[in-house]
Amino acid sequence: EAQVTQNPRYLITVTGKKLTVTCSQNMNHEYMSWYRQDPGLGLRQIYYSMNVEVTDKGDVPEGYKVSRKEKRNFPLILESPSPNQTSLYFCASSLWQGFAGELFFGEGSRLTVL
Amino acid sequence: GENVEQHPSTLSVQEGDSAVIKCTYSDSASNYFPWYKQELGKRPQLIIDIRSNVGEKKDQRIAVTLNKTAKHFSLHITETQPEDSAVYFCAASTLFSGYALNFGKGTSLLVTP
Repeated sequence: EAQVTQNPRYLITVTGKKLTVTCSQNMNHEYMSWYRQDPGLGLRQIYYSMNVEVTDKGDVPEGYKVSRKEKRNFPLILESPSPNQTSLYFCASSLWQGFAGELFFGEGSRLTVL
Repeated sequence: GENVEQHPSTLSVQEGDSAVIKCTYSDSASNYFPWYKQELGKRPQLIIDIRSNVGEKKDQRIAVTLNKTAKHFSLHITETQPEDSAVYFCAASTLFSGYALNFGKGTSLLVTP
């Protein structure tokens, strides 16, 4: 089954404790991206990647890191989480063909930073 | 960067009525306009999209219209049903921005029986 898988789905952590949210897709998509969703603010892009070893900042990259060492994986790293990073996070992927196409979203990861 | 504004933020309609959600964008180079539906507790999913070389696209009860001159596009849902209740997001993308898909803030649609 074609899918984007995120882990963990739910996480409660404390300020400053490094964490990683994993994202994996099995559709051989070139493009992957991370969004955060907050009430009243919609979906805001954190980072995206056009292909292996190619990453770029979105609209709200501060406090986050990403890497794309393999095509299927795109982990989101919070080196020192803070309470303002409490949010619902979505990973998404798309078959980039030189133009935009359908984004397939993971199920989301709800993160609480105390 | 691209700025996408979406209105209204909430919309309540009676079952069977039509619903219209409007979005405006700022970058005249934007050329791809998708709409995503997010049901409560679920992930966003694409329901319809349109490219800048097309003025209108329909899929059963859903249609999207694009006015490039005025830089706005709209989602039209006819004969609404309770299962249409969800949050709807519009988005715009510019080919030359490396696929930076900018989303509107969402419209919460409630269809009451």
